[in-house]
Amino acid sequence: AQKITQTQPGMFVQEKEAVTLDCTYDTSDQSYGLFWYKQPSSGEMIFLIYQGSYDEQNATEGRYSLNFQKARKSANLVISASQLGDSAMYFCAMRALYNNNDMRFGAGTRLTVKP
Amino acid sequence: DTGVSQDPRHKITKRGQNVTFRCDPISEHNRLYWYRQTLGQGPEFLTYFQNEAQLEKSRLLSDRFSAERPKGSFSTLEIQRTEQGDSAMYLCASSESGKGFYEQYFGPGTRLTVT
Repeated sequence: AQKITQTQPGMFVQEKEAVTLDCTYDTSDQSYGLFWYKQPSSGEMIFLIYQGSYDEQNATEGRYSLNFQKARKSANLVISASQLGDSAMYFCAMRALYNNNDMRFGAGTRLTVKP
Repeated sequence: DTGVSQDPRHKITKRGQNVTFRCDPISEHNRLYWYRQTLGQGPEFLTYFQNEAQLEKSRLLSDRFSAERPKGSFSTLEIQRTEQGDSAMYLCASSESGKGFYEQYFGPGTRLTVT
């Protein structure tokens, strides 16, 4: 069974600083994908970044990067140069390649960016 | 492309009533997913369609829940004889299909309150 763990219920960061949101996972699948989504107070889930289990390089998308450590089964999200608009819930999720209907989400981390 | 849309955005109903939600996916996406999200939790998978075929249902989807995607475009999720425990955000997502991973794009959700 797949499981996603986000141990930080809430995080604070000063505007313009970088922040790391933790995510660990557990799976017996060899091929899987890891995803991060942002959910503002409006409720919509916004896709941020994706990392495949066989990707050798860490994924980056603008100010978002994914610190993927396969042996430790961690996929932490790094947000650089935080902006006030980054304040939101952040969810880590994973999906197996051969069971790609069922995306499992963590409980989320609420990020607050302070001015 | 206008993204995934859901209607209504909010629904308040009395216990025992039936409710129906609609989801319009991104037009070229042939996969459509329904999730349920309760307060303080990440989304939980409910069911999945590839075109008009419902290929997987979670054990969370009791017999009071039914989903359809009659023409492979929009989908409806009906809850019969609503219970207070059904109060949640119902999220719809769509994605492309094929080899590899495709991120799921989410709609704004329908927030259901059962009184």
